[in-house]
Amino acid sequence: QITLKESAVALVNPTETLTLTCTFSGFSLTAGVGVGWIRQPPGKALEWLALIYWDDGKRYSPSLQKRLIINKDTSKKQVVLTMANMDPVDTATYYCAHTVGSSNGGWGPKWFDPWGQGTLVTVFS
Amino acid sequence: QSALTQPASVSGSPGQSITISCTGSSSDVGAYNYVSWYQQHSGKAPKLMIYDVTHRPSGVSNRFSGSKSGNTASLSISGLQAEDEADYYCSSYTTDTTMVFGGGTKLTVL
Repeated sequence: QITLKESAVALVNPTETLTLTCTFSGFSLTAGVGVGWIRQPPGKALEWLALIYWDDGKRYSPSLQKRLIINKDTSKKQVVLTMANMDPVDTATYYCAHTVGSSNGGWGPKWFDPWGQGTLVTVFS
Repeated sequence: QSALTQPASVSGSPGQSITISCTGSSSDVGAYNYVSWYQQHSGKAPKLMIYDVTHRPSGVSNRFSGSKSGNTASLSISGLQAEDEADYYCSSYTTDTTMVFGGGTKLTVL
């Protein structure tokens, strides 16, 4: 059974850097496997943020690329996303999720399953 | 990179069928057969219902089906049940190897 769980500080000050950790079980970051991050502001839509593959290939949302860094620790079964220069508009529930990629059309996020339970991060205003 | 366009809400009575549309462009929905659909109940994490336009993950009811024509994808639900009441989001892979989501559709079962 694949499970993922997000962890982060719940409250962040503006301009600070947020560190999100995804700890997973039930799979390994082997050929084709990836972990992505998606966020959802309260009452709003989902927004894809970033993805990392088993081979350290990385993809970022174009609109947030300058603020995001994604890394993995295969031995700890963790994926870490940092987001710099936090702002109140970044208040959201942040989810990590599992995916399996393919070279068809290029390596990138095509679907996510399953998702973690999410962690709410609030940026003080 | 604009969000995909979904209707804000749809509704139907138990037993009826509904369809939710998801309109993008030739850079996303129209470019590949990599549209997926997610169901999200209030306060819960999203659940994958359809991937690669038409494929259902194991355990998802065959009352859910997906299709695509040009730059518009659709999710259909037949035999509506009370448990189907949720928010539904489409997503698409894009030509710059990223992902874009739709704005979400609230399904109400009357």
